Amino acid sequence: NAGVTQTPKFRILKIGQSMTLQCTQDMNHNYMYWYRQDPGMGLKLIYYSVGAGITDKGEVPNGYNVSRSTTEDFPLRLELAAPSQTSVYFCASSHSAGARQPQHFGDGTRLSIL
Amino acid sequence: DAKTTQPTSMDCAEGRAANLPCNHSTISGNEYVYWYRQIHSQGPQYIIHGLKNNETNEMASLIITEDRKSSTLILPHATLRDTAVYYCIAPGEDRKLIWGLGTSLGVNP
Repeated sequence: NAGVTQTPKFRILKIGQSMTLQCTQDMNHNYMYWYRQDPGMGLKLIYYSVGAGITDKGEVPNGYNVSRSTTEDFPLRLELAAPSQTSVYFCASSHSAGARQPQHFGDGTRLSIL
Repeated sequence: DAKTTQPTSMDCAEGRAANLPCNHSTISGNEYVYWYRQIHSQGPQYIIHGLKNNETNEMASLIITEDRKSSTLILPHATLRDTAVYYCIAPGEDRKLIWGLGTSLGVNP
């Protein structure tokens, strides 16, 4: 049972560098989400997707981009890394059918910008 | 969107029931209440959710007041592995989860 898989688990970037955080799920979920969690805080929604080819902004989208070319994958891109983007990033997915469905989370990517 | 209020921290003795309260006085009639927990900064783990009726699963029970303004998550026999931050969430119609700071539950031997 793989569920939601995130890579890498840890990464250190220099200011101004770019990188892509990978997220894939094997549950055939239509909905996928990216969150960030700063120390001692709750999660904040960055972007989400309701299906392949459809994405929308969450609470804190600035400095990030996403794409959803397949049901399984939902990568998050940082174009110009800034120290304020140092955080733990979580990807999640949920089924779209029926009543509200719980979200399943990956183990996170710990990102430091120096 | 509904907002929730939880105590910052709670303690519980191992083997005893842990009762975690949550106020959600602005919840609308068709919004579910969800509970998640997060252990050691791992990814959050879904526990249970409910709308009006009390719910029970293999992890916990959820008691929702008749006016739906508050709920209580019950872990019937807390263990050390239940030490975590517990989040009570009431998402809006757009399915977005609004995460607060949660309750840090410490289970003591």
